[in-house]
Amino acid sequence: GENVEQHPSTLSVQEGDSAVIKCTYSDSASNYFPWYKQELGKGPQLIIDIRSNVGEKKDQRIAVTLNKTAKHFSLHITETQPEDSAVYFCAARGGSSNTGKLIFGQGTTLQVKP
Amino acid sequence: DTGVSQNPRHKITKRGQNVTFRCDPISEHNRLYWYRQTLGQGPEFLTYFQNEAQLEKSRLLSDRFSAERPKGSFSTLEIQRTEQGDSAMYLCASSLVEAGIPGGYTFGSGTRLTVV
Repeated sequence: GENVEQHPSTLSVQEGDSAVIKCTYSDSASNYFPWYKQELGKGPQLIIDIRSNVGEKKDQRIAVTLNKTAKHFSLHITETQPEDSAVYFCAARGGSSNTGKLIFGQGTTLQVKP
Repeated sequence: DTGVSQNPRHKITKRGQNVTFRCDPISEHNRLYWYRQTLGQGPEFLTYFQNEAQLEKSRLLSDRFSAERPKGSFSTLEIQRTEQGDSAMYLCASSLVEAGIPGGYTFGSGTRLTVV
């Protein structure tokens, strides 16, 4: 079945450094790849997304890259700040019909040390 | 519009009892999704609605689970005869489908269920 693998499960960086989280997906028909940030006691919040017709997208300190051939995509956070500390989830949307179902990765706990 | 609202935020129930959760989506969104999230895991898809029609149900959704979205507005998720394994965060999300293309999700803050 559809599967999304996410690595690493935990990531600790110094404030100001960059952080990279990687995901691979199994369904080659997947066409939409969002990233979510989840803080304690809250629901996931969409921070950036990319569609399969684009290879890279950037929004201020956050960027996402997509390699369709290798079926993997990555989140890059530059100049990290303590408020970036949270759990990050990648997800992929299956390509069958127009289903809106997302398959999520297992999450990465990012800790940014001041 | 204040986003996706879920009630209650927390629910503690005894094994065997029935529970019902409510989700109020963003008013102009025509799709509504239910997910379940256990500690240390990503959200797992349960079911989704387009307007009032339930279009897909996960195999995770046993016959003890039922969801409704009357009139295509708010939705309820009911769990009958709760088991300890049902303890989790139940997340609701909504999105807008435009020209047949689903948009990004907006999640609610979830309902945390504890079955004792």
